[in-house]
Amino acid sequence: ETGVTQSPTHLIKTRGQQVTLRCSSQSGHNTVSWYQQALGQGPQFIFQYYREEENGRGNFPPRFSGLQFPNYSSELNVNALELDDSALYLCASSLRTGTHEQYFGPGTRLTVT
Amino acid sequence: AQSVTQLDSQVPVFEEAPVELRCNYSSSVSVYLFWYVQYPNQGLQLLLKYLSGSTLVKGINGFEAEFNKSQTSFHLRKPSVHISDTAEYFCAVSVDTDKLIFGTGTRLQVFP
Repeated sequence: ETGVTQSPTHLIKTRGQQVTLRCSSQSGHNTVSWYQQALGQGPQFIFQYYREEENGRGNFPPRFSGLQFPNYSSELNVNALELDDSALYLCASSLRTGTHEQYFGPGTRLTVT
Repeated sequence: AQSVTQLDSQVPVFEEAPVELRCNYSSSVSVYLFWYVQYPNQGLQLLLKYLSGSTLVKGINGFEAEFNKSQTSFHLRKPSVHISDTAEYFCAVSVDTDKLIFGTGTRLQVFP
């Protein structure tokens, strides 16, 4: 059973550019959540996807968007990057059976210059 | 809305000493409570969770936490810490959608 994987590990972008981050959920999990963790802060919920539909969104602007694919992998897209978007982006997968356990990937470190 | 407060940003402790990391939450509805650990340059790992039942919850690596509804607290404890416990610890709450609301974290630094 493979765990949650994310790609790329690190990337550097310039302000105004667009970025796509990818997440492969743990085998059998149908729910993916994305979190943003700024330096020295706790993770902040961005949004969640359940069976390819957005199922809840945190306080993030529309330039943060996502997708979930039939195999339950997911993408996070951020348009018009700002310096404050520099953070560790974490993906977590879960199976909505009431256990409330989320399994986190190692994250993607995004630096916006 | 729910919120989580971790009262200590850093907790220094000597190896083999006991430790308590404090967490208080605010919510108008019943919540589920979690503690996660984050080692440097890694994602989050679940230490333990409280969903219902016994208020004393045991987790991995010898950690335990006690849910106190009247004080809205969920403090994490370990009777004897190791150097390898040095990490960032996050308390989190959720309601029913698996959306986690995290505290700002407590840096546990274990000294030899």
